Amino acid sequence: QVQLQESGPGLVKPSETLSLTCTVSGGSISGYYWSWIRQPPGKGLEWIAYTYYSGGTNYNRSLKSRVTISADTSNNQFSLRLSSVTAADTAVYFCARIITGGVAFDIWGQGTMVTVSS
Amino acid sequence: QSALTQPPSASGSPGQSVTISCTGTSSDVGTYNFVSWYQQHPGKAPKLMIYEVSKRPSGVPDRFSGSKSVNTASLTVSGLQAEDEADYYCTSHAGSNNWVVFGGGTKLTVL
Repeated sequence: QVQLQESGPGLVKPSETLSLTCTVSGGSISGYYWSWIRQPPGKGLEWIAYTYYSGGTNYNRSLKSRVTISADTSNNQFSLRLSSVTAADTAVYFCARIITGGVAFDIWGQGTMVTVSS
Repeated sequence: QSALTQPPSASGSPGQSVTISCTGTSSDVGTYNFVSWYQQHPGKAPKLMIYEVSKRPSGVPDRFSGSKSVNTASLTVSGLQAEDEADYYCTSHAGSNNWVVFGGGTKLTVL
């Protein structure tokens, strides 16, 4: 079955760029849309962005100026970059697959905690 | 402040039914049949329970059902079990405003 695994630094300094990668195993990223969602400690979920395997993207308008999402079919991965981070970006970051033809996340990674602190 | 409004808490005894509401606007829940519900246990990733208002993914018990009326979507859990105790989040497609918006979450307690 398809599994997702997030990876990246757990600690990022303020004003720097947060970079995360989601590796897809047990299936191909081709043919699907893929997304990042985050959850600050003790708070709710927030959609960040999605990418199609071949490159189409869409971003949460409140984060759009700082976010880049991209897909890498050769490595069966997709990535997130969030620039100019502040403490407000401290959160668990989840990667997820978008259900075919819909607006829902049917497979999730376990999540990775990213703390923004000097 | 979340785009969709959920009650912060809900509760019920084992075997009972409980319904969680998710109120949006005519720009999201009221226009699109792309409402989803997720279950999240502490320290775990969310799990898709309902999509497109009332469809259940394979493996989700039929005790979980979804519906929508005007700008409010609802998740009903029938025959409550101890393992249903979790946080529940709703989402809706929001068109050009924002692809998807989340509710603030509801903590379901099984008494």
